[in-house]
Amino acid sequence: DIVMTQSPDSLAVSLGERATINCKSSQSILYSSSNRNCLAWYQQKPGQPPKLLISWASTRESGVPDRFSGSGSGTDFTLTISSLQAEDVAVYYCQQYYTTPPLTFGGGTKVEIK
Amino acid sequence: QVQLVESGGGVVQPGGSLRLSCAASGFSFNTYGMHWVRQAPGKGLEWVAFIHSDASNTYYGDSVRGRFTISRDNSNSTLYLQMNSLRPDDTAVYYCAKKEYNWDYLDYWGQGALVTVSS
Repeated sequence: DIVMTQSPDSLAVSLGERATINCKSSQSILYSSSNRNCLAWYQQKPGQPPKLLISWASTRESGVPDRFSGSGSGTDFTLTISSLQAEDVAVYYCQQYYTTPPLTFGGGTKVEIK
Repeated sequence: QVQLVESGGGVVQPGGSLRLSCAASGFSFNTYGMHWVRQAPGKGLEWVAFIHSDASNTYYGDSVRGRFTISRDNSNSTLYLQMNSLRPDDTAVYYCAKKEYNWDYLDYWGQGALVTVSS
């Protein structure tokens, strides 16, 4: 199974500042046929189900603010919130879909306001 | 709009059984594979099970294989999770989730059903 490792476990960022979350896969999740990485990012606010933010490592879902961006390739990926807003307080998860089943998630990164 | 509504959660004793349902609407249910994902209190996300659109294949996580059964009724747009031999570490919120057509990322999630296994 592909193991997904996120860092840090939590971070506190001032409003308007940048937040950066890292996700590492235990093997490459680059789908060579399309040169796309099989990585999704989810946001889970307190008391809510996860919400899909980004697929293919960098493709924002419709309606997701452009302050959220995804980058990386192969085994190392990053979710960046360019200017943290109060409504961005949440836990963020990465998930690989290169080899399934099983679906495997990172352990989550809790983002708080400093 | 896509809606997924879970039901059937509750408190059950260790060794007991429970069946979760997930009523789907707003999309062609019989076209999409479906997943169950759970989240223990204060913990991260754990994949539980998957079923193909036509129920031809099912897959399970190691921790539930042999105890849980995923199924679906396409005529009623409903997904199920039969949970037997429940253990305290099965205590979690269980989410049903729709996968993207071709790939296993989850584009819609239900609100979740809480299952508590306790004596």
